[in-house]
Amino acid sequence: DAMVIQNPRYQVTQFGKPVTLSCSQTLNHNVMYWYQQKSSQAPKLLFHYYDKDFNNEADTPDNFQSRRPNTSFCFLDIRSPGLGDAAMYLCATSSPSRLDAQYFGPGTRLTVL
Amino acid sequence: AQTVTQSQPEMSVQEAETVTLSCTYDTSESNYYLFWYKQPPSRQMILVIRQEAYKQQNATENRFSVNFQKAAKSFSLKISDSQLGDTAMYFCAFMGNAGGTSYGKLTFGQGTILTVHP
Repeated sequence: DAMVIQNPRYQVTQFGKPVTLSCSQTLNHNVMYWYQQKSSQAPKLLFHYYDKDFNNEADTPDNFQSRRPNTSFCFLDIRSPGLGDAAMYLCATSSPSRLDAQYFGPGTRLTVL
Repeated sequence: AQTVTQSQPEMSVQEAETVTLSCTYDTSESNYYLFWYKQPPSRQMILVIRQEAYKQQNATENRFSVNFQKAAKSFSLKISDSQLGDTAMYFCAFMGNAGGTSYGKLTFGQGTILTVHP
């Protein structure tokens, strides 16, 4: 089945230690999104790629970066995680435009010690 | 900026009964999309239903249907014949289609936790 895959499902890191979360998709969608979701809250968009075009949200901290080496993969890099960055990180895709429904992965739960 | 409000933090329903989740939104755009997403406990977010604002007909997907009232900026979700597997957090979301900062981006409501009791 075509799907959005996130690895790892659970990630534990130490305060200030860089961490990378991975998202891959077999849907061949051209738009990929990263969201942060804290407990019992709505997802908050961090940034998205429209093809190779990177679009950062104005309030996304500089600590968060992203890479998309090809259509299938997208990475979220947190350069110096703080305790406040502990959250579920969701990857989503859509196609052929940003106006289509978004399909979400299962998420990576990040714990910062 | 667009806002989405879900006024019911929690709802419960008996299995096989019908329940309606409320959602209101605020926008100055005339053309946009509305969504309901379901997020079961510890599981991934799933699209339930999508409504295009320029379509007057309410969207329906099996047991799920919406009541879209454009003038009132209301977009409620009705779940018929509720099943135990419907237990989840439900998010209403808005997506703009008029350019600007909301174009192609989901603005979510706060969510409604729905519990279906046997």
